[in-house]
Amino acid sequence: GNSVTQMEGPVTLSEEAFLTINCTYTATGYPSLFWYVQYPGEGLQLLLKATKADDKGSNKGFEATYRKETTSFHLEKGSVQVSDSAVYFCALSPNTDKLIFGTGTRLQVFP
Amino acid sequence: DAGVIQSPRHEVTEMGQEVTLRCKPISGHNSLFWYRQTMMRGLELLIYFNNNVPIDDSGMPEDRFSAKMPNASFSTLKIQPSEPRDSAVYFCASRIQGPNQPQHFGDGTRLSIL
Repeated sequence: GNSVTQMEGPVTLSEEAFLTINCTYTATGYPSLFWYVQYPGEGLQLLLKATKADDKGSNKGFEATYRKETTSFHLEKGSVQVSDSAVYFCALSPNTDKLIFGTGTRLQVFP
Repeated sequence: DAGVIQSPRHEVTEMGQEVTLRCKPISGHNSLFWYRQTMMRGLELLIYFNNNVPIDDSGMPEDRFSAKMPNASFSTLKIQPSEPRDSAVYFCASRIQGPNQPQHFGDGTRLSIL
């Protein structure tokens, strides 16, 4: 079946540190991959997406590369800010209407 | 641009009461999703519609839950009777149906059943 596995949180970093949040997936076929971010008290917002192998999605300094050989879509940012503190969700769409979400990873950035 | 609009933002009511949550999708979007989020179970898909027609309601927990989409710009999720274990944040999301199209979420309704 289709599933997404994310690293357990919370991830705690100092401002300007490098961020990696790991995401691996299991899917049949060629799914699209997404990262969503949820700030406190808000809904999920699309952060970036990639639709085929070797695509790199990027937005607001965040990047993720669709790696079919390792079935991964790790989220990275070179220098985090306090305002990046949120919960990050990796998700896949197996070319159906539904999204399959990971459990979310909480990021806490301290000044 | 207006995003997905949900109302109310917060609802507190006593068990046994009927609760109605409302959602207005983004104009032009023809797929609509209802989710529930709790600490214990994370994000769960309850039901989704394409072109106002329910496609998959396998996530609806019990017969106490029902959802309707009478037209392209409005949907409701109803719980009757409500129970304390229904307390959660309920999200509505919409998208343009098609490959690689992302879902866009509202800010949710925080529901507390006393």
